[in-house]
Amino acid sequence: DAKTTQPPSMDCAEGRAANLPCNHSTISGNEYVYWYRQIHSQGPQYIIHGLKNNETNEMASLIITEDRKSSTLILPHATLRDTAVYYCIVRPGYTGNQFYFGTGTSLTVIP
Amino acid sequence: EADIYQTPRYLVIGTGKKITLECSQTMGHDKMYWYQQDPGMELHLIHYSYGVNSTEKGDLSSESTVSRIRTEHFPLTLESARPSHTSQYLCARPLAGKAYEQYFGPGTRLTVT
Repeated sequence: DAKTTQPPSMDCAEGRAANLPCNHSTISGNEYVYWYRQIHSQGPQYIIHGLKNNETNEMASLIITEDRKSSTLILPHATLRDTAVYYCIVRPGYTGNQFYFGTGTSLTVIP
Repeated sequence: EADIYQTPRYLVIGTGKKITLECSQTMGHDKMYWYQQDPGMELHLIHYSYGVNSTEKGDLSSESTVSRIRTEHFPLTLESARPSHTSQYLCARPLAGKAYEQYFGPGTRLTVT
């Protein structure tokens, strides 16, 4: 039951901004948008999350459209260490915390 | 935050053996989770626990079992390992002070020959 759609892969030049899109057209009012990433052979790492406002932290920015049907994760200055699979997840913020990971976007940062 | 521990990190074992993968945390979190990820495939929740003596199955059916006798430990057991169990097993808990975000352990990479 896929709630999100992401491109399977993307490339980005080192030092440039990486913009990773996610479609979540069936998102409901109480569902948050979460982004995690998984570097090869490691456990997923939390990046950022938001409900309807744009969010920014030390790792990335999250832009959510006004209708909340899509969002974009922005890595402002991609480095080689940002090469990873990026997962966009929508889920209610108050549930039992299970996360359902899809296939994500495999981002390759090119030197 | 790096207080979720998994042992062993790597395990190669023969078919039919009983194995237990350990997961432990020191922050006293009630909620803990086990995920399974086959090479190059999606990550799936297989078990979770909301506290001592509480265990539930996740969205992916698994032949493994779990127990939660103490808050700190959430071991996963395979009674009779098979090659189809070859996978990476990841344990997770909520982030401290952020109950709806998850922090993952380093994982156990299991190979059954």
